[in-house]
Amino acid sequence: DTGVSQDPRHKITKRGQNVTFRCDPISEHNRLYWYRQTLGQGPEFLTYFQNEAQLEKSRLLSDRFSAERPKGSFSTLEIQRTEQGDSAMYLCASSPLATFFATQYFGPGTRLLVL
Amino acid sequence: QQQVKQSPQSLIVQKGGISIINCAYENTAFDYFPWYQQFPGKGPALLIAIRPDVSEKKEGRFTISFNKSAKQFSLHIMDSQPGDSATYFCAAFEETSGSRLTFGEGTQLTVNP
Repeated sequence: DTGVSQDPRHKITKRGQNVTFRCDPISEHNRLYWYRQTLGQGPEFLTYFQNEAQLEKSRLLSDRFSAERPKGSFSTLEIQRTEQGDSAMYLCASSPLATFFATQYFGPGTRLLVL
Repeated sequence: QQQVKQSPQSLIVQKGGISIINCAYENTAFDYFPWYQQFPGKGPALLIAIRPDVSEKKEGRFTISFNKSAKQFSLHIMDSQPGDSATYFCAAFEETSGSRLTFGEGTQLTVNP
């Protein structure tokens, strides 16, 4: 299966701890996106990369959040000093470059629970 | 603020029936409207999409109807099957604002056998 993969699938942490999630996009997809999905809501955009460059960040991405895509392949999303409000599903998606809309292919997500 | 509003929140349909999910948007700069289907434990997957210069698009049992003047669009699932039971999200995309998708709140569809 060459779809988007995310690791871990589930993470339980205590408030104040740091957590890091990994996303492996579909190979050769230039764009990589992070979304957050809370229970009963649609995904909310956090940030996206084109190759290794982080081109856009949502205001939802507070200074406790940082994302990287160091070699334009996999990406990591780190949350420092986690809060209970960070509990959510974190979704990664990737897409090829396109002149207009390119289908974003989503991974299965990492479910975070902050106690 | 919620830029894309979706209804109903949940929907129960009998097998063979028609499922209808509605969405409304405010931002007239949106220029592409995809629908995503999400099964439990999976990420959303693109189902069907439409541009605002088209009033209807059909793919198999799935049809999008688009009303640009009312800023509304809807997904119709004909001959609904139990395997269609999932959460459906409408979304909107604005080319000039980058690559973000703006999603509705989702509709949990249950198709009873």
